[in-house]
Amino acid sequence: DGGITQSPKYLFRKEGQNVTLSCEQNLNHDAMYWYRQDPGQGLRLIYYSQIVNDFQKGDIAEGYSVSREKKESFPLTVTSAQKNPTAFYLCASTMGGVSYNEQFFGPGTRLTVL
Amino acid sequence: QQQVKQSPQSLIVQKGGISIINCAYENTAFDYFPWYQQFPGKGPALLIAIRPDVSEKKEGRFTISFNKSAKQFSLHIMDSQPGDSATYFCAASRNDGTASKLTFGTGTRLQVTL
Repeated sequence: DGGITQSPKYLFRKEGQNVTLSCEQNLNHDAMYWYRQDPGQGLRLIYYSQIVNDFQKGDIAEGYSVSREKKESFPLTVTSAQKNPTAFYLCASTMGGVSYNEQFFGPGTRLTVL
Repeated sequence: QQQVKQSPQSLIVQKGGISIINCAYENTAFDYFPWYQQFPGKGPALLIAIRPDVSEKKEGRFTISFNKSAKQFSLHIMDSQPGDSATYFCAASRNDGTASKLTFGTGTRLQVTL
């Protein structure tokens, strides 16, 4: 089955800790994205990557970092600099290029800061 | 700056009724307008999408109406069913030269009652 996997499903973090969220896709998609979802605010773009070893900041990149060492993987690190990290994090991918290629989403990771 | 405005925030419709969700956008560079459906604890999934060269697109019980001059588009769900109860997001996409990027509305929580 082709798709996007995210792990873990639930993640608890103590204040001051960095945590890394995993995102893997086997769709052979070029572009990958990370979004943050908060109640009543829709999805907001954190980072995106069009090709391996290249990525760009989205609208809310402060306190986050990413890497794209392999086409199928795009991990997100939530650093201690992120002031309010509790949220639902969604990874997505698409063929890339034109704007009307469907973005497919993973099942999400719910991060809670204790 | 919210580039895609969505209303209403929540909607209650009786089974068999019509659900209508509206969105408005500001950026005329957007050239693809998808609607996503999200169930609690899951990632969003593409429901239906339209490009601005057509005014309406229908897939089963779901219809998008698009008004380019007014910069508005809407989702109509005919014969609404309890299984349609979910959160719906409109979005608008454009390619900025590096990748396609989606801008999401804030979501509408739909509840279909018996």
